[in-house]
Amino acid sequence: QVQLRESGPGLVKPSETLSLTCTVSGDSITSYYWSWLRQSPGKGLEWIAYIYYSGFINYNPSLKSRVTISVDTSKSQVSLNLRSVTAADTAVYYCARTINVVRFDPWGQGTLVTVSS
Amino acid sequence: ETVLTQSPATLSLSPGERATLSCRASQSVNNLAWYQQKPGQAPRLLIYDASNRAAGVPARFSGSGSGTDFTLTISSLEPEDLAVYYCQQRTNWPPGFTFGPGTRVDIK
Repeated sequence: QVQLRESGPGLVKPSETLSLTCTVSGDSITSYYWSWLRQSPGKGLEWIAYIYYSGFINYNPSLKSRVTISVDTSKSQVSLNLRSVTAADTAVYYCARTINVVRFDPWGQGTLVTVSS
Repeated sequence: ETVLTQSPATLSLSPGERATLSCRASQSVNNLAWYQQKPGQAPRLLIYDASNRAAGVPARFSGSGSGTDFTLTISSLEPEDLAVYYCQQRTNWPPGFTFGPGTRVDIK
């Protein structure tokens, strides 16, 4: 069965770039779309972006100016970069397989990122 | 932008009771999904396309509705159903996804 594991720094300074990686195992990364989402107490669950291995990408308009999503098929990894972070970007970040571009299943365990100096 | 509203915010019931959770959309929605998030865990897909149970989901969970009004029903609550339940939609414009604020189910 497919498993997703997020990794990256747990602490990022304000104005710097948050970089996370999602490693996919048990399934081909070329068979599905893959998304990043986040969850913070103040804003609930928020979808950030999705990508297909061919390079088709869609971003949440509210984050589009600061976000880059990419895929490395040789490593079965999906990456997220979020630039110019502030305390409002503090959240648990999840990656998820995106079925038919309509729903998320399964999700990774999530990784907490705190933005603080 | 289509907004999802969930009610009630919190539901406190005893084991064996029936739980009825509501999700209302500001515009007609296709492909509505429900997720369960237990404390300290990631969300888990329960229901997709409004009424289809995801793989491995117990039969006590069912979804119904169409258009703007959707319901998640837990027919007989088990202690392990303590969780927050979210509805989610895909939006056509702007293209993306949104979630409801969630309903917390407490077990008495």
